Amino acid sequence: NAGVMQNPRHLVRRRGQEARLRCSPMKGHSHVYWYRQLPEEGLKFMVYLQKENIIDESGMPKERFSAEFPKEGPSILRIQQVVRGDSAAYFCASSPSKAGNNEQFFGPGTRLTVL
Amino acid sequence: AQSVTQLGSHVSVSEGALVLLRCNYSSSVPPYLFWYVQYPNQGLQLLLKYTSAATLVKGINGFEAEFKKSETSFHLTKPSAHMSDAAEYFCAVSVAGSARQLTFGSGTQLTVLP
Repeated sequence: NAGVMQNPRHLVRRRGQEARLRCSPMKGHSHVYWYRQLPEEGLKFMVYLQKENIIDESGMPKERFSAEFPKEGPSILRIQQVVRGDSAAYFCASSPSKAGNNEQFFGPGTRLTVL
Repeated sequence: AQSVTQLGSHVSVSEGALVLLRCNYSSSVPPYLFWYVQYPNQGLQLLLKYTSAATLVKGINGFEAEFKKSETSFHLTKPSAHMSDAAEYFCAVSVAGSARQLTFGSGTQLTVLP
């Protein structure tokens, strides 16, 4: 059973470009979470999605950031017009619908560098 | 809202010595508590979790943690450190209900000295 998959593992963008980060949850998992880890810091929650629904986006910046989890295909975190402050590691996690203890399984992350 | 405080951003121990990484939490409702380990340039791996069953939780790689409600603590310990334990460790809290996200501490970098 494959774990959470994220691609690309490394992404380099110039200021003003768009970044698209993909996350395929573990088989059978219908809940996806995105976290951001800035250098020398812990992970910060961004958004929680179920299939075709955004459940909680309280950690998402108000502008330039969006996320989706379509009925078919991976979850996508999209950052428009990237700035240097967006450079970070972005982690996706997934959980089954009945994970009563909220345990989440993490992917290897996408490391975004903005030049 | 819940929060996590990890005391000591860097901890160094000698190989074979006791490992103690501290975690205190704040939560208005009974929490779920987790310890994750992160090796350089990798994702997070779950070490152990507390989910309101036994207060002493045993995890992988010889680690364990004890939930102490009176002290709002969930410290991570290992009796004898190995070189392979060198990594960053994160404590996280979550609560039951719709707000399922994990709230992480700022992490503790563990160095194991030969």
